[in-house]
Amino acid sequence: DAKTTQPNSMESNEEEPVHLPCNHSTISGTDYIHWYRQLPSQGPEYVIHGLTSNVNNRMASLAIAEDRKSSTLILHRATLRDAAVYYCILGGTQGGSEKLVFGKGMKLTVNP
Amino acid sequence: DAGITQSPRHKVTETGTPVTLRCHQTENHRYMYWYRQDPGHGLRLIHYSYGVKDTDKGEVSDGYSVSRSKTEDFLLTLESATSSQTSVYFCAISGASQGIYGYTFGSGTRLTVV
Repeated sequence: DAKTTQPNSMESNEEEPVHLPCNHSTISGTDYIHWYRQLPSQGPEYVIHGLTSNVNNRMASLAIAEDRKSSTLILHRATLRDAAVYYCILGGTQGGSEKLVFGKGMKLTVNP
Repeated sequence: DAGITQSPRHKVTETGTPVTLRCHQTENHRYMYWYRQDPGHGLRLIHYSYGVKDTDKGEVSDGYSVSRSKTEDFLLTLESATSSQTSVYFCAISGASQGIYGYTFGSGTRLTVV
């Protein structure tokens, strides 16, 4: 399975933008890039996914490098509620019929 | 909420006893998954199901079995619980067959084997 590399942790300040990096140098042409996050004492929740083009939704933006070997999840204005473990995952489809393999993720701390 | 519930939420059991965890969904999604989460390991896939009576093993399936006799229920059974199976168990559903992106996770079951 293609793997991803994330920092173990990051810190940001409330109300500032935060960029969460992910490297996936062995990504295949059919792999989608998925981001999930897990708030304390909760199950993971879907954030965003993309294939080649940058993507935006109400939660975040996903910027994908032209060679697709890295991507960045962008939280435009961090809030305390964004403090969570963020998972960058590669999946061969749009995240349903093919099982997703979660790594250890990256812990984001948001300072007031 | 999202139409997925896990039961029980917490359970303490003794080594060697059988334990069944239940995942129930009201979304009529085809795909269902069981994960376990332990400190330092992230989430690891135990078993998954692509439909009624259609299940397969994940990366940490030893000591676990599953059953799916109805679309809405996915059961995870520990035939003879061991202390190494103390963990938080998450169920997830996916609506990919209906064009719905992403997994939805349950709130988890915290299992302690003593």
